[in-house]
Amino acid sequence: GEDVEQSLFLSVREGDSSVINCTYTDSSSTYLYWYKQEPGAGLQLLTYIFSNMDMKQDQRLTVLLNKKDKHLSLRIADTQTGDSAIYFCAESPLSPSASKIIFGSGTRLSIRP
Amino acid sequence: NAGVTQTPKFQVLKTGQSMTLQCAQDMNHNSMYWYRQDPGMGLRLIYYSASEGTTDKGEVPNGYNVSRLNKREFSLRLESAAPSQTSVYFCASSVGGNTEAFFGQGTRLTVV
Repeated sequence: GEDVEQSLFLSVREGDSSVINCTYTDSSSTYLYWYKQEPGAGLQLLTYIFSNMDMKQDQRLTVLLNKKDKHLSLRIADTQTGDSAIYFCAESPLSPSASKIIFGSGTRLSIRP
Repeated sequence: NAGVTQTPKFQVLKTGQSMTLQCAQDMNHNSMYWYRQDPGMGLRLIYYSASEGTTDKGEVPNGYNVSRLNKREFSLRLESAAPSQTSVYFCASSVGGNTEAFFGQGTRLTVV
């Protein structure tokens, strides 16, 4: 079946790197996403990676994909207080209907001064 | 640029009452979704609509019904609310499968 798992909490010191990890089960997934949810708001797409890529870098964000282990990670360099949020990993399974996105439980990132 | 608009933002219901959550998008997207968000459980898909005129069950459809009224609008109905349906509900839309989903601001529903 389709399942996405991630740890619930992560605490890092301001200026350090944050690494949020995720595992997924559906090997047919064509896209894997990271969404960010700030308090009281909906989710916004942060970045995504296509399944034939190993890595994607976008300014302070680095996404690593290990297809063999079905493991996805998001690294945030030089973490700032504005990065405090819940980060959701999500996969988009390839299916005949091809029209749903499966989310993980979300990782709450908190920043220590 | 409204994007995805949900109404209401907050609602308190008594057990057994009914209500409809409204969602509209102005991006000409084909696919629309309803999720619920509960602490520690992430977002769970209730129902989705791949295109106008079609709806399909997601992971947790029991106790809910949906209507894809037209391409813009996708409503979620609770016929007889239960305390277990206390949650934050998000509507989302996307061009199609495998594309970025845009989310509304959420509806915080409490059933007492």
